[in-house]
Amino acid sequence: QKEVEQDPGPLSVPEGAIVSLNCTYSNSAFQYFMWYRQYSRKGPELLMYTYSSGNKEDGRFTAQVDKSSKYISLFIRDSQPSDSATYLCAMSASKGGSEKLVFGKGTKLTVNP
Amino acid sequence: EPEVTQTPSHQVTQMGQEVILRCVPISNHLYFYWYRQILGQKVEFLVSFYNNEISEKSEIFDDQFSVERPDGSNFTLKIRSTKLEDSAMYFCASSRAASNQPQHFGDGTRLSIL
Repeated sequence: QKEVEQDPGPLSVPEGAIVSLNCTYSNSAFQYFMWYRQYSRKGPELLMYTYSSGNKEDGRFTAQVDKSSKYISLFIRDSQPSDSATYLCAMSASKGGSEKLVFGKGTKLTVNP
Repeated sequence: EPEVTQTPSHQVTQMGQEVILRCVPISNHLYFYWYRQILGQKVEFLVSFYNNEISEKSEIFDDQFSVERPDGSNFTLKIRSTKLEDSAMYFCASSRAASNQPQHFGDGTRLSIL
């Protein structure tokens, strides 16, 4: 079983739709969970950063972590064409000195005007 | 907003040549990382660096790779004798602390080995 699994899509939605992106993982030591957005030929840009289980909201973005199911989600409300990008989930275990990130493969999202 | 900067944006090198990729992390950050992304694949961890020492390295980071912080602002990745399979995007990242602080990434260097 891969350490982090993410459906690569592609996912195509109309403008204004609610988008749901998901990752599953196998390593129960993961405690920190991140979502990055990556535009073409650019580096990953941090969107959301959460610790342990629960929800976190920032504007149109909501991140959910369910550690019991080893499942994380990112919801995008009122999606815009500018949200078209690849979304990467990433996670790490606290080892006190190094926070190696383990990434999913990324989901390519297109929001159509 | 402060950002991680990487140079060059694209590097083309002959197989067997040495290459140095450069990064300027965010100024008050203390932890530095290199990742790579082969076309169509996941972003993969290479190495982390703190207090002028490697904290952790992956199995990819073999003897051909080295990292250095030559001064107070730059962080470099050297590949001593490049192979065709080293062709990838290389991302530098930095964070303020190891725990509970997110990593911020640069826009990467695209390395093409001929």
